[in-house]
Amino acid sequence: DGGITQSPKYLFRKEGQNVTLSCEQNLNHDAMYWYRQDPGQGLRLIYYSQIVNDFQKGDIAEGYSVSREKKESFPLTVTSAQKNPTAFYLCASSIEPGRPRYGYTFGSGTRLTVV
Amino acid sequence: ILNVEQSPQSLHVQEGDSTNFTCSFPSSNFYALHWYRWETAKSPEALFVMTLNGDEKKKGRISATLNTKEGYSYLYIKGSQPEDSATYLCAFELAAGNKLTFGGGTRVLVKP
Repeated sequence: DGGITQSPKYLFRKEGQNVTLSCEQNLNHDAMYWYRQDPGQGLRLIYYSQIVNDFQKGDIAEGYSVSREKKESFPLTVTSAQKNPTAFYLCASSIEPGRPRYGYTFGSGTRLTVV
Repeated sequence: ILNVEQSPQSLHVQEGDSTNFTCSFPSSNFYALHWYRWETAKSPEALFVMTLNGDEKKKGRISATLNTKEGYSYLYIKGSQPEDSATYLCAFELAAGNKLTFGGGTRVLVKP
């Protein structure tokens, strides 16, 4: 079955360490996105990519980095510069930009806790 | 940053009752309005993508309406069932951007 796989489901890291969250899709979707959720808040966009080897900052990109070397993969690195990294991270994909009728497909998320 | 608001934040519904809740979004540069259902421990699931003013969509007992001129959408649940318990998210798609700005969600709890 096609879908988005995020791993790991739970991740613990020490303060000051970089950590990379994995997101893989086998839907042949062009666009991929990373969102962050904090308690009591809506999903906020970190980074998005509409095509391989290209990506744009979202609303809260500071302290994060991404790469899009393959269509299927869009890993997110939470760097030590991110002041409040503890959060729930969701990856999503969509069939292609400019075709909204199908909506996004989401992964099941990674809960990152920095201690 | 675009402002997308959902109200109420949460509501309790008795099984069998109908309910509705609101999503407000900017009325300019509208491209599409999405609704998602997010059940606990699962991934958000797309319910509707609405693009035209006056659009109405239906999926089973759930339906949605759209008013792009005044910037709001309603989601209705008819005859609520316990399996309807979830957080319902709306998201605004800016013209030609294809990135979504989400509201804070409405958490619905259907009590048997």
